[in-house]
Amino acid sequence: GQSLEQPSEVTAVEGAIVQINCTYQTSGFYGLSWYQQHDGGAPTFLSYNALDGLEETGRFSSFLSRSDSYGYLLLQELQMKDSASYFCAGSGNTGKLIFGQGTTLQVKP
Amino acid sequence: DGGITQSPKYLFRKEGQNVTLSCEQNLNHDAMYWYRQDPGQGLRLIYYSQIVNDFQKGDIAEGYSVSREKKESFPLTVTSAQKNPTAFYLCASSLTGALGEDSPLHFGNGTRLTVT
Repeated sequence: GQSLEQPSEVTAVEGAIVQINCTYQTSGFYGLSWYQQHDGGAPTFLSYNALDGLEETGRFSSFLSRSDSYGYLLLQELQMKDSASYFCAGSGNTGKLIFGQGTTLQVKP
Repeated sequence: DGGITQSPKYLFRKEGQNVTLSCEQNLNHDAMYWYRQDPGQGLRLIYYSQIVNDFQKGDIAEGYSVSREKKESFPLTVTSAQKNPTAFYLCASSLTGALGEDSPLHFGNGTRLTVT
């Protein structure tokens, strides 16, 4: 089967750095994606890693280690608007994208 | 502007009734998906379609049905056989079924279904 595990909640202060981890079990794994969802809204795509290493996009970076079946999303210079749920999602040879349970990030002033 | 439209935003039904949720996209995407989200939970895949006239069951297809007669449209019917239909339903599309960096999911704004 396919499953992804991530922490349910993370709290950080404005301006800080936070890392959201994700471990996965996905048959025929292709890559790891990250999505952001503000309360009650539509999830939006943040990043995708197919190869090992760090991908940087502005204040957000995403890392993947295929040998460890592990990835993380790194958010720097946190802003209040970053308060949201963050989902890792795995894609494999089934043509499906399977999501983790989501991590709720609360940014405090 | 291109995008995915789900309607209605809120839907109320009595138990025992079938209900169809609409999803339309004008992004010219090949693949479309239906996910269900329960409070505080992740997204669970109900059905997906990689090309017109073809679709596959996701992880929680029981009690649901879909059709993909047109590239732009992927309606979801929640039948009376679905035991816990009250949830937030999200439709998504992607350029292809490859689901990589060049083909991420684009989501609609969702339909919140309440069945009493």
